[in-house]
Amino acid sequence: AQSVTQLDSQVPVFEEAPVELRCNYSSSVSVYLFWYVQYPNQGLQLLLKYLSGSTLVKGINGFEAEFNKSQTSFHLRKPSVHISDTAEYFCAVRKSGGYQKVTFGTGTKLQVIP
Amino acid sequence: EAQVTQNPRYLITVTGKKLTVTCSQNMNHEYMSWYRQDPGLGLRQIYYSMNVEVTDKGDVPEGYKVSRKEKRNFPLILESPSPNQTSLYFCASSSPGQMNTEAFFGQGTRLTVV
Repeated sequence: AQSVTQLDSQVPVFEEAPVELRCNYSSSVSVYLFWYVQYPNQGLQLLLKYLSGSTLVKGINGFEAEFNKSQTSFHLRKPSVHISDTAEYFCAVRKSGGYQKVTFGTGTKLQVIP
Repeated sequence: EAQVTQNPRYLITVTGKKLTVTCSQNMNHEYMSWYRQDPGLGLRQIYYSMNVEVTDKGDVPEGYKVSRKEKRNFPLILESPSPNQTSLYFCASSSPGQMNTEAFFGQGTRLTVV
């Protein structure tokens, strides 16, 4: 079975500072990896995804993530955060190929401090 | 505008009173899913559907039913709601062309069972 661990439930960071949100996964087979963002009272929006190829993936709003197979990680980064980045971020994983169930992490709340 | 529409957005009901949460997408997507979101638990998949008349259980199907009679609609049915089904529910859809992600989420339905 696959699983996703987001160790940090909350991450406070000052505006314009860099941030890293951690995600580790567990799976015995090849996987696809995703980061979603949820703004207050809204649904989830895809930030970026890793399917194959280059391990550095760039997404929307200046976010990027790096797939590290040996460490089974897919950490999300942004070099300079804005107040508008305050939201909850979810890492997700699914087996590659075909339609497979998506497993989400428990989420990390990013609080950007002015 | 491409979207997934859930109704109602908010619902308070009493234990045992059958209810249906509707989900409709206008993107001709084959795949649709229902999730519940609970604090500290992230999103957990309830049911999913790969096409009309094809549905399967996710991680937490107990107490829920679904149907997929039309491609665009995927209602979630709670035949006898209980307080432990108080949660935030999301519907999502994707297509084979985007089968590697849950590309579109609805705005969510906040259900309270008293």
